[in-house]
Amino acid sequence: SYELTQPLSVSVALGQTARIPCGGYNIGGKDVHWYQQKPAQAPVLVIYADNNRPSGIPERFSGSNSGNTATLTISRAQAGDESDYYCQVWDPTAADWVFGGGTKLTVL
Amino acid sequence: EVQLVESGGDLVQPGGSLRLSCSASGFTFSNYKMNWVRQAPGKGLEWVSYISSSGSTIYYADSVQGRFTISRDNAENSLYLQIHSLRAEDTAVYYCARERLGGAAFDFWGQGTVVTVSS
Repeated sequence: SYELTQPLSVSVALGQTARIPCGGYNIGGKDVHWYQQKPAQAPVLVIYADNNRPSGIPERFSGSNSGNTATLTISRAQAGDESDYYCQVWDPTAADWVFGGGTKLTVL
Repeated sequence: EVQLVESGGDLVQPGGSLRLSCSASGFTFSNYKMNWVRQAPGKGLEWVSYISSSGSTIYYADSVQGRFTISRDNAENSLYLQIHSLRAEDTAVYYCARERLGGAAFDFWGQGTVVTVSS
């Protein structure tokens, strides 16, 4: 089955740029979606299909995807961006939705 | 306003059964593919099951295949998850999630319902 690998944690200084990687075999050939989840809340879609922002998501959130790594980039990081972030793809071979293990973003 | 409201979570003994519901409002439910996703305490997101807009296509994660049954009633704007032979590892918050039109991703999620499996 397809696997997505994310670091357990990423730290970023306030106002700087955070980059959260999501690794998977030839992930560049898939559409990658990203979710933000704050404690005791439901996940929120922040990026879909690699680099598209849903309505209401700040322009500070962007995505890229190439080769074996997709990346969620958060510019000008704010304290309110502290959350868990999950990447997701569709695996057509197994007919499964696959989530990465999640990355906890800390804003210092 | 789009709303998804789950219900039916409970404390259940191992081997027991449960039926989860997700009530949808604020959009044309019959047009959308739907999913169930769960999250064990302190763990990440785990996709559980998918159902197409008409209900004709259904998929399950290997971990629940044969024990879980997804269904929907478009006339009632409701999504369901019937769970049998519950195990301790099924303990989780269960979310229903809508797939966005035109290309995957889960654009709206409910607040979840808690299933606890314990004797």
